Amino acid sequence: GENVEQHPSTLSVQEGDSAVIKCTYSDSASNYFPWYKQELGKGPQLIIDIRSNVGEKKDQRIAVTLNKTAKHFSLHITETQPEDSAVYFCAASPNQAGTALIFGKGTTLSVSS
Amino acid sequence: DAGITQSPRHKVTETGTPVTLRCHQTENHRYMYWYRQDPGHGLRLIHYSYGVKDTDKGEVSDGYSVSRSKTEDFLLTLESATSSQTSVYFCAISPGQNPYEQYFGPGTRLTVT
Repeated sequence: GENVEQHPSTLSVQEGDSAVIKCTYSDSASNYFPWYKQELGKGPQLIIDIRSNVGEKKDQRIAVTLNKTAKHFSLHITETQPEDSAVYFCAASPNQAGTALIFGKGTTLSVSS
Repeated sequence: DAGITQSPRHKVTETGTPVTLRCHQTENHRYMYWYRQDPGHGLRLIHYSYGVKDTDKGEVSDGYSVSRSKTEDFLLTLESATSSQTSVYFCAISPGQNPYEQYFGPGTRLTVT
């Protein structure tokens, strides 16, 4: 089945720097890749997603890139702010019966001012 | 939290007791999910529903059952709680045509002593 690996597990940056989180997936048939942000004590929040027919998608300071050949996708956050501090999860949708997203284990991003 | 409420938000129970968690949504979404979140494991799917009385198992369904007798409510039951079921439980919904586009509720923290 699908397996998603996420790196790094922790990331510390200075305010204003960029942050990049990378995920790899195993099932070449996966076709939908969302990213979630989870703040302490809250549920995961969908922040951006990309489909397999698109190579890059941007939404203000965040962007996601997808390399289908290499089976990896990345989250890019520019001009980081303290409120970006959270745990970020990537996920992939396996191409099989059922509707399970397979999640990476998360990256704790800390933005210091 | 995507119009999802979960109850209770916190619960402490003893090993061997039955526990039911409730997920309620107000938008008549077809797909509903139950995940558990544990350190080192990320989010894992327990069960999901694709309509009233239509449910299926996820990755970690052992020890759990679900019911969906009406569109707005999806119940997760631990028939006989064990310490290994101490976790944070999240309900999620899919509002559109893509069942992988999922939005999460605020979560229920369950402790089994």
